[in-house]
Amino acid sequence: GESVGLHLPTLSVQEGDNSIINCAYSNSASDYFIWYKQESGKGPQFIIDIRSNMDKRQGQRVTVLLNKTVKHLSLQIAATQPGDSAVYFCAENAGNLANAGGTSYGKLTFGQGTILTVHP
Amino acid sequence: IAGITQAPTSQILAAGRRMTLRCTQDMRHNAMYWYRQDLGLGLRLIHYSNTAGTTGKGEVPDGYSVSRANTDDFPLTLASAVPSQTSVYFCASSDRVGAEAFFGQGTRLTVV
Repeated sequence: GESVGLHLPTLSVQEGDNSIINCAYSNSASDYFIWYKQESGKGPQFIIDIRSNMDKRQGQRVTVLLNKTVKHLSLQIAATQPGDSAVYFCAENAGNLANAGGTSYGKLTFGQGTILTVHP
Repeated sequence: IAGITQAPTSQILAAGRRMTLRCTQDMRHNAMYWYRQDLGLGLRLIHYSNTAGTTGKGEVPDGYSVSRANTDDFPLTLASAVPSQTSVYFCASSDRVGAEAFFGQGTRLTVV
């Protein structure tokens, strides 16, 4: 799972295996969660999201599970490929950004990231 | 489809100099954000803008300022750069409450 500190959690898997990346979030009021993938030298890229009224959501080769009781989020990648190697971040919508006279938007708070390495 | 464009891609800047990082989006998103990314600290919000003409402070706003004169542009200015502002800066945008943010490719800034 993700943690604070200088050393990011790492996960190494063989090509074709399933990968599970974990994230513990902090704010029990968060109602929206996103997983991002970041390849070296690039910006974070949206993978999948889930709202707090759901506990599971599936995409193409990816599944996100949400356990609100223990404030835990996981990303499952099926049949992991070398192209999946990247840093994966979870993000939570930790509340609205109040703005005088304007519309409030959710602020995303990011976890520290997990490095996924897929070996051929 | 460009999405979000940041400039420059990278920059080496002398301490004490002023620098503006540029960000332009063509998705007509209302909200825009500036994050900095440092190893072990993840992405931290610097400033945000809910809509054109409005801005707000994020988690680490000190030493930075922003403006939002129109929907498309959201420049980030370092008035007097310091070495601790060495980082990778990402601009992002989203179109509605609770929506995912789309990120630019980042600007790698080194302050020496």
